[in-house]
Amino acid sequence: GIQVEQSPPDLILQEGANSTLRCNFSDSVNNLQWFHQNPWGQLINLFYIPSGTKQNGRLSATTVATERYSLLYISSSQTTDSGVYFCAVERYTGANSKLTFGKGITLSVRP
Amino acid sequence: EAQVTQNPRYLITVTGKKLTVTCSQNMNHEYMSWYRQDPGLGLRQIYYSMNVEVTDKGDVPEGYKVSRKEKRNFPLILESPSPNQTSLYFCASSTDITDTQYFGPGTRLTVL
Repeated sequence: GIQVEQSPPDLILQEGANSTLRCNFSDSVNNLQWFHQNPWGQLINLFYIPSGTKQNGRLSATTVATERYSLLYISSSQTTDSGVYFCAVERYTGANSKLTFGKGITLSVRP
Repeated sequence: EAQVTQNPRYLITVTGKKLTVTCSQNMNHEYMSWYRQDPGLGLRQIYYSMNVEVTDKGDVPEGYKVSRKEKRNFPLILESPSPNQTSLYFCASSTDITDTQYFGPGTRLTVL
């Protein structure tokens, strides 16, 4: 099956700093999503981005499908950005279809 | 409010006692799925359903059953729970697999 690798596994930032989170995947995909899991365990969809660039406030994401990677940018980080960031991909084969998650990046933003 | 709900949110049970975790969505989504989250392993898909009466195995289906008799509901059944099924479980739904997935709040299950 498709492999998803996220880096770095852990990241510690001072409030106000910028960061880039990376997601590499092993095959072409139809679907790529970034999720944030807050310290209470809730999973929130950040971006649906199988290709191209999107922005939402201080967050933006870019997926270069031909090179099989996606980047999540966090600018002017805040303590509420802490949590785990997951990248998930899907390669639709017509018969079976499932979302495969990376192991996540744990981000801690310190005040 | 568009949402995915799960019940119960927390459950402590004993080995072998059958249990059901319910999942319901109010967005008329066709695609629904169950995941379990374990430390160091991320989220792994248990089962998914492309539509009513259509279900299929994910990566870790052993020990679980599902049914999809109505579009809005997708219960997860553990016929004979074992301690290795202690985990955090998430239900998710979307219009289809190629669309944004919306997750429920999670169910923390402990099997003693």
